[in-house]
Amino acid sequence: DTGVSQNPRHKITKRGQNVTFRCDPISEHNRLYWYRQTLGQGPEFLTYFQNEAQLEKSRLLSDRFSAERPKGSFSTLEIQRTEQGDSAMYLCASSEQGPSPLHFGNGTRLTVT
Amino acid sequence: QKEVEQNSGPLSVPEGAIASLNCTYSDRGSQSFFWYRQYSGKSPELIMFIYSNGDKEDGRFTAQLNKASQYVSLLIRDSQPSDSATYLCAVEDDKIIFGKGTRLHILP
Repeated sequence: DTGVSQNPRHKITKRGQNVTFRCDPISEHNRLYWYRQTLGQGPEFLTYFQNEAQLEKSRLLSDRFSAERPKGSFSTLEIQRTEQGDSAMYLCASSEQGPSPLHFGNGTRLTVT
Repeated sequence: QKEVEQNSGPLSVPEGAIASLNCTYSDRGSQSFFWYRQYSGKSPELIMFIYSNGDKEDGRFTAQLNKASQYVSLLIRDSQPSDSATYLCAVEDDKIIFGKGTRLHILP
């Protein structure tokens, strides 16, 4: 068990560019979550998957954000036409199905200049 | 909109005393409750989870759940400087959502 892995750790991009982040969950975990966290705030729910099915996407999330989990393994989060307000830590977490705690990756810190 | 509410703090507690952290949630159908600790610049790490009404103890930590009052708390006994961190309450109904966290500062 190598834990949840996120890449890259840091990403600096210019406003208007597209970025993609990857998350590799713990192998036996069915559920995968994406959260966004800014300084002084708790993790904000973005979306989550059970296996390859995307169960819910936050209503607060712009259409510029999209996530996939092909084959129910790794997941990608893409942000199109980035804005300065997208600067944040993007956290991925996985869990077993059912009542089960989340295991977090180290996050990807995005800076939009 | 389902919500999880926490006092943002900071909560300052002398070393060796009991720290009490509180959380309320809006969705009466919530089934699972978690406390995470987050050090500055790090990811959240699980401290405790609780699914049933009452108390659950693990070492210096006790989680308390009252579903009728929609209230979850975390007690930290014999507080240590290393307990200084942000404590996040999380609640699961279908998905897991987090409160904004309470900053805890243990005074040496």
